[in-house]
Amino acid sequence: AQSVTQPDIHITVSEGASLELRCNYSYGATPYLFWYVQSPGQGLQLLLKYFSGDTLVQGIKGFEAEFKRSQSSFNLRKPSVHWSDAAEYFCAAVSGAGSYQLTFGKGTKLSVIP
Amino acid sequence: KAGVTQTPRYLIKTRGQQVTLSCSPISGHRSVSWYQQTPGQGLQFLFEYFSETQRNKGNFPGRFSGRQFSNSRSEMNVSTLELGDSALYLCATRGDSYNEQFFGPGTRLTVL
Repeated sequence: AQSVTQPDIHITVSEGASLELRCNYSYGATPYLFWYVQSPGQGLQLLLKYFSGDTLVQGIKGFEAEFKRSQSSFNLRKPSVHWSDAAEYFCAAVSGAGSYQLTFGKGTKLSVIP
Repeated sequence: KAGVTQTPRYLIKTRGQQVTLSCSPISGHRSVSWYQQTPGQGLQFLFEYFSETQRNKGNFPGRFSGRQFSNSRSEMNVSTLELGDSALYLCATRGDSYNEQFFGPGTRLTVL
């Protein structure tokens, strides 16, 4: 079955520190991959997406993600975290062109220490 | 361009009742998908509508249904509410040249 796994339920980092959130996928072929962020009581905002091509993807708010086919991973990174980055982050995938059903990971909650 | 709007934002119902939630997509978007978000199950796909036709359905009981109107607005209905239906219901819309889905703020449903 197709699945997306986020191994870390909760991560705490200090403001100014670097961040990496992990995401692994299990699909027959390389899916389209996304990272979303959700602030408390809010909907989901797209941070970045990967369809094909360059494996390092730049997104909004200073985030980037690297696609690694050999590891079936799509990890999200930020070099310097701000207190406003505290939120829940979701990795998601669709199986490819013509498919629009997002499969989400369980999410990683990020806490930022001032 | 206005974003995705969902109404109402909050709803409290009792077991056995039914509820209707509404989603208005971004102008020009013809696809509307619905997702349920709960602490235990996370985000789960309910169904997708495109041009008034249901194109895909997730693994939910028949109590969950939806429809889409000619102006692309969509409604979802849950009948015979159960306590486990308490959740944040999110809708997402996308344009025809697919690249991403835009989410609304959600409707928080509480079933007592």
